[in-house]
Amino acid sequence: DVVLTQSPLSLPVTLGQPASISCRSSQTLVHSNGHTYLSWFQQRPGQSPRRLIYEVSNRDSGVPDRFSGSGSGADFTLKISSVQAEDVGVYYCMQATHWPPWTFGQGTKVEIK
Amino acid sequence: QVQLVESGGGLVKPGRSLRLSCAASGFTFSDYYMGWIRQAPGTGLEWISYISNSGPINYNADSVKGRFTISRDNAKNSLYLQMNSLRAEDTAIYYCARGGPYYDLLTGVFDIWGQGTVVTVSS
Repeated sequence: DVVLTQSPLSLPVTLGQPASISCRSSQTLVHSNGHTYLSWFQQRPGQSPRRLIYEVSNRDSGVPDRFSGSGSGADFTLKISSVQAEDVGVYYCMQATHWPPWTFGQGTKVEIK
Repeated sequence: QVQLVESGGGLVKPGRSLRLSCAASGFTFSDYYMGWIRQAPGTGLEWISYISNSGPINYNADSVKGRFTISRDNAKNSLYLQMNSLRAEDTAIYYCARGGPYYDLLTGVFDIWGQGTVVTVSS
């Protein structure tokens, strides 16, 4: 099974400052069709998860453009260009290249300093 | 709008059974694979089950294999999870989530989630 390792696990950020979360995979996430199925999810306190990014860098509808995804192969990053109060929560990466199982990272908790 | 609403959670004793339901609306349910993902208290997300758009193909995580069964009724726009031989470690919030459409299986995985239903296994 693919193991996704996120870092850091806790990220205190000042409002308006950037934030960056890393997600490293135990194997390449490039599918045989050439696409890379790495997604990012946000889970605000008390809410269900919401997908933000799919296929490494594509934002879902309604996701603010301060969220961006990048990376390739087995090394990926989620960046928030200017953290807002509503961005507090836990962020998960997930791979859908090698399934089953679909696997998630451990989660990174973003909080305001 | 696109929506998933879970129901059926509750408090159940170890060894007993429970059936979760997920009602879908706002999209052509029969076009989409569907899944169940759970979140134990204070922990991360764990995929547990997935079913094809027409139902004959399904996958289950090792942690629930042989105990949980996923099914669907496309006429009722509903997804189900039959949970047997429940254990304390099955205590979690259970989310249903939309998978990919049959014509593009990989791109849409888990793009829509329900609000979750809480299952507590305790004597």
